[in-house]
Amino acid sequence: QSVLTQPPSASGSPGQSVTISCTGTSSDVGHYNYVSWYQQYPGKAPKILIYEVNKRPSGVPYRFSGSKSGNTASLTVSGLQAEDEADYYCSSYAGSNNLLFGGGTKLTVL
Amino acid sequence: QVQLVESGGGVVQPGTSLRLSCAASGFSFSSYAMHWVRQAPGKGLEWVAVIWYDGRNKYYGDSVKGRFTISRDNSKNTLYLQANSLTTEDTALYYCATQISSQADWYFDLWGRGTLVTVSS
Repeated sequence: QSVLTQPPSASGSPGQSVTISCTGTSSDVGHYNYVSWYQQYPGKAPKILIYEVNKRPSGVPYRFSGSKSGNTASLTVSGLQAEDEADYYCSSYAGSNNLLFGGGTKLTVL
Repeated sequence: QVQLVESGGGVVQPGTSLRLSCAASGFSFSSYAMHWVRQAPGKGLEWVAVIWYDGRNKYYGDSVKGRFTISRDNSKNTLYLQANSLTTEDTALYYCATQISSQADWYFDLWGRGTLVTVSS
């Protein structure tokens, strides 16, 4: 079962913007607009940030935004805050009732 | 209170079985597809299985296909995962998850806290 490719780490200073990529294939990320992003703190369950590529659930700050180009989806965190330090995971529907997750990116706020 | 509460995890030997449960409350359980997602210690998330709202359709990730069975009892608002022929690779925190806020699919806005399965001899 393949995994979507994310950079293992990313970092930025408070107030800066950081973008995390999520690379799949033309059979998953490139084919479906069912890309989601999750934030996970240590010892906690994941929390949805973005679904369907760029939709933000109620309560998620506008600082979090999603996009997609070809086989790569991206999560951008603008105006970094200390509380954004966490692990981030992407997921994509891959057809045939199958869901893939990325390997995760640890975001460090410097 | 809208919540999912998993139970049934524990320490088991390779080759044995375990049944996990997920009790739902605070929402119309029978209206939503339900999923299991797992996370090995220090590792990323892995989708395990989904069951349709009425239990008629079930789908599995490649790593558990043929060994795990997802089921639900809508009269009890409970989701299950029967895990057979367990290996050390199945050691993980098992979450049940669903999405209840929109008509969109294949994302999760409601997660439980997870139940830990450790497969070890």
